[in-house]
Amino acid sequence: DTAVSQTPKYLVTQMGNDKSIKCEQNLGHDTMYWYKQDSKKFLKIMFSYNNKELIINETVPNRFSPKSPDKAHLNLHINSLELGDSAVYFCASSQDLGGGSEKLFFGSGTQLSVL
Amino acid sequence: AQSVTQLGSHVSVSEGALVLLRCNYSSSVPPYLFWYVQYPNQGLQLLLKYTTGATLVKGINGFEAEFKKSETSFHLTKPSAHMSDAAEYFCAVSRSGFQKLVFGTGTRLLVSP
Repeated sequence: DTAVSQTPKYLVTQMGNDKSIKCEQNLGHDTMYWYKQDSKKFLKIMFSYNNKELIINETVPNRFSPKSPDKAHLNLHINSLELGDSAVYFCASSQDLGGGSEKLFFGSGTQLSVL
Repeated sequence: AQSVTQLGSHVSVSEGALVLLRCNYSSSVPPYLFWYVQYPNQGLQLLLKYTTGATLVKGINGFEAEFKKSETSFHLTKPSAHMSDAAEYFCAVSRSGFQKLVFGTGTRLLVSP
């Protein structure tokens, strides 16, 4: 079983559309994250949730709205997609917030292409 | 603020040669340091991490890294490269009480026969 799974793996859409990416982890972790990897492979955190509570929101445009229905799921909804949103989006999880030393478990990514 | 700098966006080695990937960090407090590897079309996997204690950290697949506070470095090494080591390697920094990782820009390791 995949520990952190994301769907879809590829997402191609037009500018202005609304799309969602789903993430599920079966590791029993309390904390989940969304990271964005741009075309130059730079990885930056977007959001972090701990037990369904938003912990980190890294000045991401409010077109991006994460939703955590339970601690095993963290979905990402994007409104009014723009060309600059094209990137690979990674979901990740960790055991708990702890002290910053936790190992992150990453999903295999969702490649979003906005045309 | 914390940051990491990875010198060299690409490193090429021959199979069997020493692998050295460089990472320097900036942190005003004792850092936690990580190396993650990303194989093509996959998510990142933790290779190793340093939190406290022994400064030489051993990870998976024969990799190790040494925390050198005086040099603010955490370079990744492997004595003998294997073709399967070809991947993107990311250095990252965090700190106590700080719930996010700050990643470097990555180094692509190319291994030739």
